[in-house]
Amino acid sequence: GAVVSQHPSWVICKSGTSVKIECRSLDFQATTMFWYRQFPKQSLMLMATSNEGSKATYEQGVEKDKFLINHASLTLSTLTVTSAHPEDSSFYICSARDGGGDYNEQFFGPGTRLTVL
Amino acid sequence: GQNIDQPTEMTATEGAIVQINCTYQTSGFNGLFWYQQHAGEAPTFLSYNVLDGLEEKGRFSSFLSRSKGYSYLLLKELQMKDSASYLCAVGDSNYQLIWGAGTKLIIKP
Repeated sequence: GAVVSQHPSWVICKSGTSVKIECRSLDFQATTMFWYRQFPKQSLMLMATSNEGSKATYEQGVEKDKFLINHASLTLSTLTVTSAHPEDSSFYICSARDGGGDYNEQFFGPGTRLTVL
Repeated sequence: GQNIDQPTEMTATEGAIVQINCTYQTSGFNGLFWYQQHAGEAPTFLSYNVLDGLEEKGRFSSFLSRSKGYSYLLLKELQMKDSASYLCAVGDSNYQLIWGAGTKLIIKP
């Protein structure tokens, strides 16, 4: 089946620093990748939709200058949390859609747990 | 607006059967997904329904009624490892997933 990896799995950083999270589709080409955030005991919240070679589409309330998304190739998208603060601590999950799949299923990465001190 | 409702929490006994309901109101419909998510992990795909009726896959089955905006996930022969959150999601007219808040399923021995 389709596999999506994320790196790093977890990261602890100081307030004010920037953190980059990578999302890779390992065995398929992902024309679209999604970035989600999930706070404890809450459901997934879509942050942005990323299409290869174009600018990401951000959901209402998500600051595009703070959460930089780059989808430079069909297998890699990156999310950079700039000037991270403790309230940015969360579980960040990416998913990728296989454009050639039967029903546009989204395949999820294992997630990245970010803790900002 | 777009809305997906599912119960917050359910409890069931090992070996029993449990049905998790999901109702939805979305702009467009391109299928309904069920995902399982264990604590601290990413969701994993369970099922997809786009036509009315029941889809069976081992111990798990999923049902859809588009006219009623209703789906359920049926879990049989419950095992302790089935303790997780179950997320209902609907693909809207833009093929984006609209997520429910999830149902936390607690399995007791």
